[in-house]
Amino acid sequence: QVQLQESGPGLVKPSETLSLTCTVSGGSVSSGSYYWSWIRQPPGKGLEWIGYVYYSGTTNYNPSLRSRVTISVDTSKNHFSLRLSSVTAADMAVYYCARHSSTTSNWGQGTLVTVSS
Amino acid sequence: EIVLTQSPGTLSLSPGERATLSCRASQSVSSTYLAWYQRKPGQAPRLLIYGASSRATGIPDRFSGSGSGTDFTLTISRLEPEDFAVYYCQQFDVSPWTFGQGTKVEIK
Repeated sequence: QVQLQESGPGLVKPSETLSLTCTVSGGSVSSGSYYWSWIRQPPGKGLEWIGYVYYSGTTNYNPSLRSRVTISVDTSKNHFSLRLSSVTAADMAVYYCARHSSTTSNWGQGTLVTVSS
Repeated sequence: EIVLTQSPGTLSLSPGERATLSCRASQSVSSTYLAWYQRKPGQAPRLLIYGASSRATGIPDRFSGSGSGTDFTLTISRLEPEDFAVYYCQQFDVSPWTFGQGTKVEIK
């Protein structure tokens, strides 16, 4: 059974870059027709899809974040990463990584990122 | 973007009762790319239904999904104590992928 685990700083200063990594076990980021995604949920708000990197390397981002986000995959380490630049208080959220296909969806437990000086 | 509107916002029911949750899309969504999730406090969302009507692995048959186009429904035939949670629909047919705002099923 595939498992995903987010890691990275829990505190980021305003205007800096948020960087998170999702380590995948029990499966490979380079195999199968999977979308490797990042999703977030700000406190008291709904789920927001940030974007994905497809197993082929193709990326797709939410237009609301496109100018600030980069999702990449490192097949040698079997993980994929999120970078979100120029963060503000509005970027404070629980960040989830997930693996999607048309028939499956596996999520990490999520990690809280606070934006504060 | 496709807006998914879930109703009701909160459903207050007793164990053993039937729960009917609605997810309405602002434009047509391919059933293949409509999913339902269950979310409990402190846990990641758990996939219940994919393809609008297919149960994910290990999901009890009291959970069922139906619908097409712009109207989708999740039904829990008889609520068990562990079913009280928040439920989300998601479409990944059209970018950007979007989620409904959630329906909370609470104990009456």
